[in-house]
Amino acid sequence: AQSVTQLDSQVPVFEEAPVELRCNYSSSVSVYLFWYVQYPNQGLQLLLKYLSGSTLVESINGFEAEFNKSQTSFHLRKPSVHISDTAEYFCAVSHITGGGNKLTFGTGTQLKVEL
Amino acid sequence: KAGVTQTPRYLIKTRGQQVTLSCSPISGHRSVSWYQQTPGQGLQFLFEYFSETQRNKGNFPGRFSGRQFSNSRSEMNVSTLELGDSALYLCASSLELAGGPREQYFGPGTRLTVT
Repeated sequence: AQSVTQLDSQVPVFEEAPVELRCNYSSSVSVYLFWYVQYPNQGLQLLLKYLSGSTLVESINGFEAEFNKSQTSFHLRKPSVHISDTAEYFCAVSHITGGGNKLTFGTGTQLKVEL
Repeated sequence: KAGVTQTPRYLIKTRGQQVTLSCSPISGHRSVSWYQQTPGQGLQFLFEYFSETQRNKGNFPGRFSGRQFSNSRSEMNVSTLELGDSALYLCASSLELAGGPREQYFGPGTRLTVT
């Protein structure tokens, strides 16, 4: 079985400040890692993915996440947030093997960017 | 390419009724997964279909069922609706590549309210 922990349910931050959203996972097998973002009344949008290769992955809108296997973490960071980044962020994992797709999600972190 | 589409977007049903939700995946994607999102339980995996076969199933009662058609479109059905079935139902599709599935792309969801 696998699980994902997002310890921070809410993270308030001022605009242009840096932010880190924490994600830790537990799994007995190798996993793929993802960050999804959800704006109000919308579905989930894929923000970042780690499948293999470089442990540091970046998105087109300035977010980055680093896969740390020893600490089983995949924290999301942005050096300078914008008001438009206000949303809920979900960390998720899926097994690399075992057949099929099944995402296990964390409970989400509500990022609120204030002026 | 068009994204994942879900119909209807909003639905109000009465306890005891049944409901069918529809999902059209991204063109070329043959894996379709369904998730339930509620404030209390978060995002939970319902089931996944690939090539018209259920490949994975989550821990939901038998009232929840699904199917996939030859064009990869999928439907999920909930029979004998309960108040607790009120949720956002999300469909996601994925491209199957050699070595296993990859990231999932989500639709906007169907908001089901059971009264």
